[in-house]
This record gives sequence, structure tokens and C-alpha cells, in this order.
Amino acid sequence: AQSVTQPDIHITVSEGASLELRCNYSYGATPYLFWYVQSPGQGLQLLLKYFSGDTLVQGIKGFEAEFKRSQSSFNLRKPSVHWSDAAEYFCAVGANSNSGYALNFGKGTSLLVTP
Amino acid sequence: GAVVSQHPSRVICKSGTSVKIECRSLDFQATTMFWYRQFPKQSLMLMATSNEGSKATYEQGVEKDKFLINHASLTLSTLTVTSAHPEDSSFYICSARGGQGGQPQHFGDGTRLSIL
Repeated sequence: AQSVTQPDIHITVSEGASLELRCNYSYGATPYLFWYVQSPGQGLQLLLKYFSGDTLVQGIKGFEAEFKRSQSSFNLRKPSVHWSDAAEYFCAVGANSNSGYALNFGKGTSLLVTP
Repeated sequence: GAVVSQHPSRVICKSGTSVKIECRSLDFQATTMFWYRQFPKQSLMLMATSNEGSKATYEQGVEKDKFLINHASLTLSTLTVTSAHPEDSSFYICSARGGQGGQPQHFGDGTRLSIL
């Protein structure tokens, strides 16, 4: 069965600093990979997705992620963090199942941005 | 594009009440809709998957008689929590996906359900 691991529960970065959020997955085939962001009390917003092709994908709000098959990773990066980026970030893998390509989410990483 | 509207955003009601939550895809046809439950500081737990015009597929451990799902059209799915009890209090989030396979899911803003 597929699984997603986000090793960091909390991350604190200074505004303007670079950011990398880690995500590792376990899946037998090439997965569909996603990063979502959730603000408090809100739903999830899609940041970016990887299906196939170029392993470096660009998303909204200046985010990018790189798919590394050899490391089973799909880390999210941003070169310069803004205070408005403070939120909960979820990595997810989509895979075919009885639920018809449901998403399997990691436990999330909470990002705090300091002045 | 790909906007999903979820209503209501917050519900507070007495134990024993049934509560209906609506999930609408506003600008696309959702062939599949998903219902998740999220506990505080936790990830999303898939409850069920529904395809338009067919019965929902429930995840293991989710009571289908407790959480009734209807997906009557390509733009609307509803989740009814029947005879709700305090342990049903949670944040419920729907998502919708158009097309097939691994297309991304688009999420509503969630419903905070509080049962007194």
C-alpha cells in the first residue's frame, strides 16, 4: 500500500529565508504526487502536482518541487518565504485503489514564519 | 477555475440531530467527489468516495448508515451525519475531481461540526 511521510512536524524559518519541506513516499509504481497548503479553518489549496515528465515542477505562489525517484522523495521548496506562507502543508500521493484514485496524505508540516 | 463550494462552514447543534453538508463544484463537472474528516492538528482521513449516480464507497471503519452520502449530479454531493453525537464533532472537508485517473482534487473550505 502507498504511504507518505513528512518527517518534519514543525518548521520555523525567517521571512526572506529559503524553505524546503520534505516528503517521502512509498509506492510500487510511479505515483501521482501533490502538495497542498491549508490555512487555519480552511480547506486545502493545490500548490503543484507531478504526473510525469520534467521532475522539477513549478507551482503557484513561487513554490516548486522536485521528484527524485531514487530517493522516493518529492520535496517542496521556495527560495524566499513570505509571512503569508505560514500554514500547514500536506504532501499527498494519488494511486489507484478501491476508492478510485483517492489521495493518501502525509501528516502535514506546520510552517511558522518569523519576522 | 476549479472552485469547490462547501456549505455550511460551521454548524453547532444538539446531540441526536441530523446534519447535512453540501459540496458543489462551481465551474467544472465532478465525476468523483471525496469526503474527508480532519481531527485537530491531524491529517485528512478519507471517509468515502462517491461517483455521480452510484453508491458511495466507504473506507474501512466508516459507518455508511451514520454518514449518508448522495452524489445526485455532476456538481453536487451531500454528506448527512445522522443522529449526530459529540464524538462526531470534527472538521469535514469535501473535494471534487473532474476527469479520470490522477487528476488533482479541488477542496472545499470545510465544515466545522460541533455537537453539544
